Parts: sequence; structure tokens; C-alpha cells
Amino acid sequence: AQTVTQSQPEMSVQEAETVTLSCTYDTSESDYYLFWYKQPPSRQMILVIRQEAYKQQNATENRFSVNFQKAAKSFSLKISDSQLGDAAMYFCAYRSGAYNQGGKLIFGQGTELSVKP
Amino acid sequence: KAGVTQTPRYLIKTRGQQVTLSCSPISGHRSVSWYQQTPGQGLQFLFEYFSETQRNKGNFPGRFSGRQFSNSRSEMNVSTLELGDSALYLCASSSTSLAYNEQFFGPGTRLTVL
Repeated sequence: AQTVTQSQPEMSVQEAETVTLSCTYDTSESDYYLFWYKQPPSRQMILVIRQEAYKQQNATENRFSVNFQKAAKSFSLKISDSQLGDAAMYFCAYRSGAYNQGGKLIFGQGTELSVKP
Repeated sequence: KAGVTQTPRYLIKTRGQQVTLSCSPISGHRSVSWYQQTPGQGLQFLFEYFSETQRNKGNFPGRFSGRQFSNSRSEMNVSTLELGDSALYLCASSSTSLAYNEQFFGPGTRLTVL
């Protein structure tokens, strides 16, 4: 069975600084997708960034980028130029590419990020 | 385009009762997934429906069930409620059931079991 582990329950960053959130996963599959989701307090979960396992190039979305190390099964999220609005719970998630797995997302326990002004 | 909506937003029930939660996906989306979020267990997958068929089911007891209607709206039902069922229940919709499609989450239904 696949598992996702986020070893940092809480992280803090100064506004305008850079922070990296860690995520490791375990799978025997070769076809899968990895995601970072953001859940602000009392607000809806939104997708931050997505990485296809077959792509070697790390995904980037504006200030958000990932460091995808497939052999190490590591998938960290880097937030550059942190803003107050980045404060939220961040979840790392795994999704199998197998057709019979459908839409099932497997989530890590989350990392609560606070941003200091 | 309207987002995923969930009703009701808050519910208080007592042990032994049953509850039905509703999820309306984004227009045109045919896949709806349900998740339970608790402080202790985190986010756990309940089940997914696509075109009125359950495609996948998580490791939850049979008290948890769901269905999807022809307009893609989905309901989940929990019978014989237990205190441990208190949670935020999230639904997410996607255009298809394929892995690369983004799932869009609703605001959730906060269920409290007394």
C-alpha cells in the first residue's frame, strides 16, 4: 500500500523569505502523480502544484516549486518570497495512475505553515 | 463557473442517528470523491463515484455509503452514528476519474456527533 509522510507538523517563515516543506512517499508503482494542496483556515482546499512521476523536470507554479527526487521518493515544496496569504495547512498527496484506483488521493498528515510579518 | 458546493455546512447529531450529506460538483464534472478529515487520522479517502458507479472505496465500515445521481450530484450516508464519526467531510469533483485530472474541493460539512 502507498503511504505519504510529512515529518514537519509545523513550520514558520518570515515574510519574503523562502521555506521548504518536506514530503516522502512509498510506492511500488511506476505510474503516479504527486500533489501539494493548501488548506487555509476555514477555507477550501486548493491545488498548489502537481508533478507527474514520469516527468524528470520539477514542476513550477509562480512562487511555488517542487524538488522531485524519484529514486529517494521525496517530493518537497519550496515557497519563495513568502506572503501572509501563504499561511495555511499544506498537504502532500499521492494518486496512483492505475485505472482501477480512480480518484483516490492518499494524503500526508499535513504541515501547518505560519508566516511572520 | 460555480465551485463545488456541499450541504449542509454544519450538522449536529446524536449517537445512533443517521445522516445524509450532499455534494454538487462543478458543472460538467462527472467524478465525485469523498474524504473524511479528523485531527487524529488526517484526510482519508471514503469513496469515489463516476457516472453513477462507485469506482473505488476506502477502508471504512459499511455504515458509510454513498451514491451518485444522473446529474452527478452525490450523497453520502452514515448510519448508526458513533462519536468517532465527528469530522469534516470533504467532497471533490473532477471532470474524469483519470489520475492527472485536478480534483476541486468543496468547503466541507462539519459533522458533530454528541
